[in-house]
Amino acid sequence: SQKIEQNSEALNIQEGKTATLTCNYTNYSPAYLQWYRQDPGRGPVFLLLIRENEKEKRKERLKVTFDTTLKQSLFHITASQPADSATYLCAVYTGGFKTIFGAGTRLFVKA
Amino acid sequence: DTEVTQTPKHLVMGMTNKKSLKCEQHMGHRAMYWYKQKAKKPPELMFVYSYEKLSINESVPSRFSPECPNSSLLNLHLHALQPEDSALYLCASSHPGGQGVDGELFFGEGSRLTVL
Repeated sequence: SQKIEQNSEALNIQEGKTATLTCNYTNYSPAYLQWYRQDPGRGPVFLLLIRENEKEKRKERLKVTFDTTLKQSLFHITASQPADSATYLCAVYTGGFKTIFGAGTRLFVKA
Repeated sequence: DTEVTQTPKHLVMGMTNKKSLKCEQHMGHRAMYWYKQKAKKPPELMFVYSYEKLSINESVPSRFSPECPNSSLLNLHLHALQPEDSALYLCASSHPGGQGVDGELFFGEGSRLTVL
């Protein structure tokens, strides 16, 4: 079956450290993969998109990698801040208007 | 602030009520979506409209009825819902590409629905 797996356990890190979140998918061959941030009770907000022919993408303190052989994406937040505390969703575009989301990883950054 | 506006933000309804959720965007996007999200679960795709035509219905029960009156508006009509339909209903829009989505989804803040 098709699955997107993100670490369901919350990630607790100290301010200033790098947070690394993992997204694994099975039985998809996505043209691209996206990461979204979601705060409690609010809609997801787009952060980064990485295409299948790209290995790495950066935006300010964010970095995403995409390994289509391992079927895995890593999402890094460097110099993390308490304001980065949120749930981060991985999303796989499967074609024909369908974007499928993982359940997300909750990140807590302690001051 | 999101450029996709959803109303109402909160809705409480009985199982015999008829209500509607509304979504509006003025970004010129021609693909619009309804997702349903329960607590600690991923958003689940319900419906997709492309150029005001229904493109995807993910086997959603008929008590949910979508409508796309024009390129800026998307409605979700609700009738005879069950308590298990209580969830956050998210509207999203995007640019449609040649064969589907072209890039990111822009989400609204959601409508929190409680069915008693």
